[in-house]
Amino acid sequence: ENVLTQSPGTVSLSPGESATLSCRASQSVSSSYLAWYQQKPGQAPRLLIYGASSRATGTPDRFSGSGSGTDFTLTITRLEPEDFAVYYCQQYATSPYNFGLGTKLEIK
Amino acid sequence: QVQLQESGPGLVKPSETLSLTCTVSGYSISSSFYWGWIRQPPGKGLEWIGTIYHSGSPYYNPSLMSRVTISIDTSQNQFSLRLTSVTAADTAVYYCARSGWDLVFDFWGQGALITVSS
Repeated sequence: ENVLTQSPGTVSLSPGESATLSCRASQSVSSSYLAWYQQKPGQAPRLLIYGASSRATGTPDRFSGSGSGTDFTLTITRLEPEDFAVYYCQQYATSPYNFGLGTKLEIK
Repeated sequence: QVQLQESGPGLVKPSETLSLTCTVSGYSISSSFYWGWIRQPPGKGLEWIGTIYHSGSPYYNPSLMSRVTISIDTSQNQFSLRLTSVTAADTAVYYCARSGWDLVFDFWGQGALITVSS
């Protein structure tokens, strides 16, 4: 199993600042088959990024993904109040198509 | 707009079988795409359970494979999950979701909380 480790566990920032979230895989993720999801309390996850860097339909351009191999990053610039949530990465290169444990982005 | 809705009993007794159905509206599941189940224990992360295509065999998370069955009913535009021999560790919010062949989930149901308790 390709284990995904997300860091930090929690990050506290203010609106207008930028956030950098990390997702590190225990094995290389082929073809950059990595996605990012946003989840707010009581809601289902929402797809933000796929293919490591492609924005899903409706994802604002202040969200960007990068990385390859084992190291991936989700960057959110100019944080808006609605961006404070939990973010999960998911690898879909090899079964089981698992998720990281998440990073909670909270308002400082 | 594609919509998915989970349904099933909210409480299941230990050692019994958990059964959930996902009803899809706004899209015919026999047309394309893959249909899957993901769960999330309270306060924890997400776990992929399995996925099915309308004309293919389902595939499962190896950690659950011995207990899971996913099936599809194109006439009802539904797909279902069965998880046998449940324990308290199976208590979770269960989501149904749509993906492409690549297992990227772009549409999700609202989730159904299933509690395993006597």
